[in-house]
Amino acid sequence: AQRVTQPEKLLSVFKGAPVELKCNYSYSGSPELFWYVQYSRQRLQLLLRHISRESIKGFTADLNKGETSFHLKKPFAQEEDSAMYYCALISSNYQLIWGAGTKLIIKP
Amino acid sequence: GAGVSQSPSNKVTEKGKDVELRCDPISGHTALYWYRQSLGQGLEFLIYFQGNSAPDKSGLPSDRFSAERTGGSVSTLTIQRTQQEDSAVYLCASSSRPDTQYFGPGTRLTVL
Repeated sequence: AQRVTQPEKLLSVFKGAPVELKCNYSYSGSPELFWYVQYSRQRLQLLLRHISRESIKGFTADLNKGETSFHLKKPFAQEEDSAMYYCALISSNYQLIWGAGTKLIIKP
Repeated sequence: GAGVSQSPSNKVTEKGKDVELRCDPISGHTALYWYRQSLGQGLEFLIYFQGNSAPDKSGLPSDRFSAERTGGSVSTLTIQRTQQEDSAVYLCASSSRPDTQYFGPGTRLTVL
């Protein structure tokens, strides 16, 4: 079965602390994974994709096929990072399969 | 250019009434998706249109829900005989490639 799991509904960290949002997937074959973000009162938008190996707003995510994970990390959290984060996977029929989302709260 | 737009932004209705939610995708995007986002929940896939192919309706929660896409552009999601559990934010997204979906602002539906 193709599945994306975000085990944490809510993650709260202090400003300046490291952040790691967990994402695990189930997929046979080579997965394509993404992180989307929804800031308060804004639209859901793409944050980054694993194939680009990019860092966006200080966030990075590495695909670990051995652990079937795609955790989102940032070394020093900022208050503006507070948002809802969704991990997603492209399915075999080219649709996105979404995790349940993690609400990140950065405390001042 | 203009992004995905949805109307109305807010809709309050009484239980049992029908509602129509509209989505205007980005021009040229062949794929259009409807999702539901309930309070404290993630994204729930509802329906997917791709070009002229038959839509994937596998996510529609009941036969009270239907959607159409006219001329490969504008889409309307219809909920008949609304129930209180239908209250949610309904999101529309369009894309020209599978990996990047562009989302609208959503319609917040409240069923009293």
